[in-house]
Amino acid sequence: GENVEQHPSTLSVQEGDSAVIKCTYSDSASNYFPWYKQELGKRPQLIIDIRSNVGEKKDQRIAVTLNKTAKHFSLHITETQPEDSAVYFCAASMAGNQFYFGTGTSLTVIP
Amino acid sequence: DVKVTQSSRYLVKRTGEKVFLECVQDMDHENMFWYRQDPGLGLRLIYFSYDVKMKEKGDIPEGYSVSREKKERFSLILESASTNQTSMYLCAIKRTGGRTEAFFGQGTRLTVV
Repeated sequence: GENVEQHPSTLSVQEGDSAVIKCTYSDSASNYFPWYKQELGKRPQLIIDIRSNVGEKKDQRIAVTLNKTAKHFSLHITETQPEDSAVYFCAASMAGNQFYFGTGTSLTVIP
Repeated sequence: DVKVTQSSRYLVKRTGEKVFLECVQDMDHENMFWYRQDPGLGLRLIYFSYDVKMKEKGDIPEGYSVSREKKERFSLILESASTNQTSMYLCAIKRTGGRTEAFFGQGTRLTVV
């Protein structure tokens, strides 16, 4: 099956700086890559996604890039704010069936 | 909006007990999933179901079983609970439409003592 690796496991940044989280996947058949944010005590929620026919997607301060050849994708958060502090999960999926998740990145934004 | 409801937020059970975790969705979604979440290990798929009475093993099915007798309800069963099954359990549905996503319930924190 698919194997998704995520780095780093923890990340601390100063407010206003950028944060980057990276993931790799193993199965070239995966074609859908969502990112989830989980605030403390809450459910994971989808924040942005990208499909394999697109190289980059942006939504306000967050963006995701995909390199199909290298089988890696990244989440970029610019101008970080304290409310961005959370655990972030990447995932890979084939046709949106099973979702294979990374191990998570705990992001702390220091005011 | 879609609702995925897990019957309990917190459960404490004894070793050897049979434990039922219930998940109910209200929008007739076909695909339902059970994950467990552990620090440093992320979200690992236990079982999933594509339709009533259909079930497929995920990555870590050992010690678990599932039941889906009705489309809206997907139950996770721990046949004989063990301490290494202490974890957060998350139910999810596959929601399609504008976006395809795994939409999660609030989770059940299970402690086996």
